[in-house]
Amino acid sequence: AQSVAQPEDQVNVAEGNPLTVKCTYSVSGNPYLFWYVQYPNRGLQFLLKYITGDNLVKGSYGFEAEFNKSQTSFHLKKPSALVSDSALYFCAVRGLDTDKLIFGTGTRLQVFP
Amino acid sequence: DTEVTQTPKHLVMGMTNKKSLKCEQHMGHRAMYWYKQKAKKPPELMFVYSYEKLSINESVPSRFSPECPNSSLLNLHLHALQPEDSALYLCASSQDWGAYTEAFFGQGTRLTVV
Repeated sequence: AQSVAQPEDQVNVAEGNPLTVKCTYSVSGNPYLFWYVQYPNRGLQFLLKYITGDNLVKGSYGFEAEFNKSQTSFHLKKPSALVSDSALYFCAVRGLDTDKLIFGTGTRLQVFP
Repeated sequence: DTEVTQTPKHLVMGMTNKKSLKCEQHMGHRAMYWYKQKAKKPPELMFVYSYEKLSINESVPSRFSPECPNSSLLNLHLHALQPEDSALYLCASSQDWGAYTEAFFGQGTRLTVV
């Protein structure tokens, strides 16, 4: 069965500092990995995905994620955090032979001025 | 147009009511989804339609009844709900059934069952 884990319920970072939101995955075969962001009382917005190729994936709003096969991780990063980045972030995985997009438990990012 | 539109945004219904949630996309996407999200929890998959046919039902109670009238529309019919069904209901669509395609989400319908 496929799954993703987000080990941190909350990440706090000062504005201007780099941020990392962690995600590890478990899937048989090649993983298809996604990051989404959710602002209060809103739907999910797609940030980026890893399908194949370069391990460093660039996405929307200056976010990027690094795929590491040996560590089964797909951490979300941004070089310089903004207060407006404060939101709930979800990592998700989809296996090759399934239409199910399975989400992690979410990490709340709080960026302080 | 990269939008998934859900109506209504908010819905309050009694346990004996019948109501419907609506979802629409005009991106030519052939897979559409219903998710349920409780506060501070991840979205939970309920149903998947692929090419207008129900492909996945995650053992959802029959008081929730999905319908896909055409490739652009997805409905969720609600009947005899319970207070614990109160949640944010999210619709999503993706280009195809393929594992590599990202899903686009609507803003959700906040449902309260009283």
